[in-house]
Amino acid sequence: EAQVTQNPRYLITVTGKKLTVTCSQNMNHEYMSWYRQDPGLGLRQIYYSMNVEVTDKGDVPEGYKVSRKEKRNFPLILESPSPNQTSLYFCASRGWTSGRTDTQYFGPGTRLTVL
Amino acid sequence: DAKTTQPNSMESNEEEPVHLPCNHSTISGTDYIHWYRQLPSQGPEYVIHGLTSNVNNRMASLAIAEDRKSSTLILHRATLRDAAVYYCILSWTNFGNEKLTFGTGTRLTIIP
Repeated sequence: EAQVTQNPRYLITVTGKKLTVTCSQNMNHEYMSWYRQDPGLGLRQIYYSMNVEVTDKGDVPEGYKVSRKEKRNFPLILESPSPNQTSLYFCASRGWTSGRTDTQYFGPGTRLTVL
Repeated sequence: DAKTTQPNSMESNEEEPVHLPCNHSTISGTDYIHWYRQLPSQGPEYVIHGLTSNVNNRMASLAIAEDRKSSTLILHRATLRDAAVYYCILSWTNFGNEKLTFGTGTRLTIIP
């Protein structure tokens, strides 16, 4: 079954304690991205990766890092989390056909609370 | 970024057709129109997309106005499982990053 998985699904942490949210896809997609969803703001892109070792900033990258060492994995790293990073996070992946987007698949979400 | 405008909420009776409108008056010639939906406690899910012509798939139909300034997602026979937030999105390309900019969507309630 084609899917994007994220772990953990729920996380409560404290300010300044480094954390990593993992994302993995089994569709051999080149493109992966991270979004955060906040009430009234919709989904906003944090970082994206167009292939292994190729990453770039989205609209709201401050306070986040990513890496893409393997095609299937795209972890999101918060080096020093702060309360304003409390949010619902989604990882997504998609293929690439003729330079245009294919269907984008989203993970189930990670609800992060930073105290 | 080209923006979309959708009603905040809509209601429909079960087993009746639903027409979800979207305005995108600043759409450019290369923007695709996408629809995603988000069921409670889940990630967004692809519904349909198109460029100029009307599109049909097993989930829905997409009717695109001739001037492309508006579109309508049509669910032919709504079920309770169709209750979700529906997002109308324009995709645009910026140096190879084809972005989907989500707005706040339309919350669809299905009445049994």
